[in-house]
Amino acid sequence: AQKVTQAQTEISVVEKEDVTLDCVYETRDTTYYLFWYKQPPSGELVFLIRRNSFDEQNEISGRYSWNFQKSTSSFNFTITASQVVDSAVYFCALTMDSSYKLIFGSGTRLLVRP
Amino acid sequence: DTGVSQNPRHKITKRGQNVTFRCDPISEHNRLYWYRQTLGQGPEFLTYFQNEAQLEKSRLLSDRFSAERPKGSFSTLEIQRTEQGDSAMYLCASSWDLGDEAFFGQGTRLTVV
Repeated sequence: AQKVTQAQTEISVVEKEDVTLDCVYETRDTTYYLFWYKQPPSGELVFLIRRNSFDEQNEISGRYSWNFQKSTSSFNFTITASQVVDSAVYFCALTMDSSYKLIFGSGTRLLVRP
Repeated sequence: DTGVSQNPRHKITKRGQNVTFRCDPISEHNRLYWYRQTLGQGPEFLTYFQNEAQLEKSRLLSDRFSAERPKGSFSTLEIQRTEQGDSAMYLCASSWDLGDEAFFGQGTRLTVV
């Protein structure tokens, strides 16, 4: 079975704190792709990052960084020095070579307080 | 290209009525997806097109739901005999190839009263 679990339903931090959003996935496929999307209050899903199963390099983009670990089936997302504009729902998603669809987790709502 | 476009943005309908939504994907993308999202949940896959061929349908898609993508361009999603449980945000997305990021439209929010 394919599944994405985001155990943190809601996280509240104060501006400038670092925060990590957890994502655990399940798949039997050897070739798969992982994504993070941001959904601000406006509602539109915004793509943040894509990783394939053969690329375990961590990535940093400005204040955002991603830690992909196949050994623990995790693809965690860290925001450094959080800002109020980071407040949104964040979704982790999975797709495989054997399927066309993106499987989303239930999302983590991040609230950054001033 | 301005991205994935969905119309209408909002739709209020009475139970039992039929509704149709439209999605215009990014022009060079041959893959198109429909998802449904209810409050507090992640998007749930409904159906997938590669060009004009509908290649996968979720079990969530009952007989009252039908989707088309004539000529592999825009797509429509029709819901017949709407029920209150159909109230949700309907999202369309498109991508170029398997494993590529999907770009989402702003969605159509359906309210069935």
